Amino acid sequence: AQSVTQLGSHVSVSEGALVLLRCNYSSSVPPYLFWYVQYPNQGLQLLLKYTSAATLVKGINGFEAEFKKSETSFHLTKPSAHMSDAAEYFCAVSDRGGTASKLTFGTGTRLQVTL
Amino acid sequence: NAGVTQTPKFQVLKTGQSMTLQCAQDMNHEYMSWYRQDPGMGLRLIHYSVGAGITDQGEVPNGYNVSRSTTEDFPLRLLSAAPSQTSVYFCASSYRQQGFDGYTFGSGTRLTVV
Repeated sequence: AQSVTQLGSHVSVSEGALVLLRCNYSSSVPPYLFWYVQYPNQGLQLLLKYTSAATLVKGINGFEAEFKKSETSFHLTKPSAHMSDAAEYFCAVSDRGGTASKLTFGTGTRLQVTL
Repeated sequence: NAGVTQTPKFQVLKTGQSMTLQCAQDMNHEYMSWYRQDPGMGLRLIHYSVGAGITDQGEVPNGYNVSRSTTEDFPLRLLSAAPSQTSVYFCASSYRQQGFDGYTFGSGTRLTVV
């Protein structure tokens, strides 16, 4: 069964500092991996996805993530945090590559950005 | 605008009442699903559908029922509401073909059962 672990339910960074949100997955087959962002009282928006092409994936709003098979990780980074990045971030894994199927989500990491 | 539309946005129910959460998409997506979001638990899959007339259970299906009579609509029915069903419910949809692009989510229904 697929699973995702997000380390740290809350992360606080200063504006302009590096953002690093951690995600580790377990999967018996090469997975599809996703990061979604949820702003307060809104639905989830896709930030980026890994679909077995390039291991470094660039997404919207300056975010990127690197797929590391040896570490079973898919950490999300952004070089310089902005106040507007404050939100909850979810890592998710698909149990079958190539076609839409059930997504398994992590428990989420709430990012706080301070002045 | 194209997307996933959920109604209502807010609902308060009494224990034992039934209701239907509506979800509609206008993108001709084959795949639709319902998730519930609870604090500290992420999103958990309730039911999903890979096309009209086909539905299946997810991780937490008990107390919920779904049907998919058209490609566009995927309603979620609460048969007899319980306080444990207080949650935020999200509907999502996607194409099913190779090169899965991820889901499009609705803006959610916040349900309180008292």
